[in-house]
Amino acid sequence: LAKTTQPISMDSYEGQEVNITCSHNNIATNDYITWYQQFPSQGPRFIIQGYKTKVTNEVASLFIPADRKSSTLSLPRVSLSDTAVYYCLVGDMLDTGRRALTFGSGTRLQVQP
Amino acid sequence: EAQVTQNPRYLITVTGKKLTVTCSQNMNHEYMSWYRQDPGLGLRQIYYSMNVEVTDKGDVPEGYKVSRKEKRNFPLILESPSPNQTSLYFCASRITRQSYEQYFGPGTRLTVT
Repeated sequence: LAKTTQPISMDSYEGQEVNITCSHNNIATNDYITWYQQFPSQGPRFIIQGYKTKVTNEVASLFIPADRKSSTLSLPRVSLSDTAVYYCLVGDMLDTGRRALTFGSGTRLQVQP
Repeated sequence: EAQVTQNPRYLITVTGKKLTVTCSQNMNHEYMSWYRQDPGLGLRQIYYSMNVEVTDKGDVPEGYKVSRKEKRNFPLILESPSPNQTSLYFCASRITRQSYEQYFGPGTRLTVT
């Protein structure tokens, strides 16, 4: 998997939009970008996945510029319950499956009232 | 309900006493894996399995064994646990290797004294 770099932590307030950026300079042509959310003492939960431009679902949006060397997870109008660690993963969707899936250290988002 | 289950959720044991953590999924997923999570180190993959009777090492396989005799089950075996295997363990499954949308179990907190 391509190495990813994310901020260690971020702070926000309820109702604000939060953007978490992930850098993946050595992303390969077949790589997709995936984001997970993890609450304390729980397993990570899949949020969103994309290849290029913009992907949106009921939870978040994922923005990927043309060069794909970074991506931004956007959480609209966060609430206290969005306080969690967010992980960015980059990997080849068409690979043989024989590469381990590696989570980085993630970004700890703290939402204040 | 689609889910990944693990048992036990909490376990305290002593060095050298063999133990097994069970993992089961009811989604007919081909791909299953085990992770450990330690403070400051994020999630690290231990072993994964692409299908029945097919397993492979992840990033940190030393001291662990796995088996995949049935599609739904993927037990993690610690033949001779040591204190450095004290950790939070997660089992996960995904529908095929061509997807990074993983479903995680609730976690097993293991303490080895």
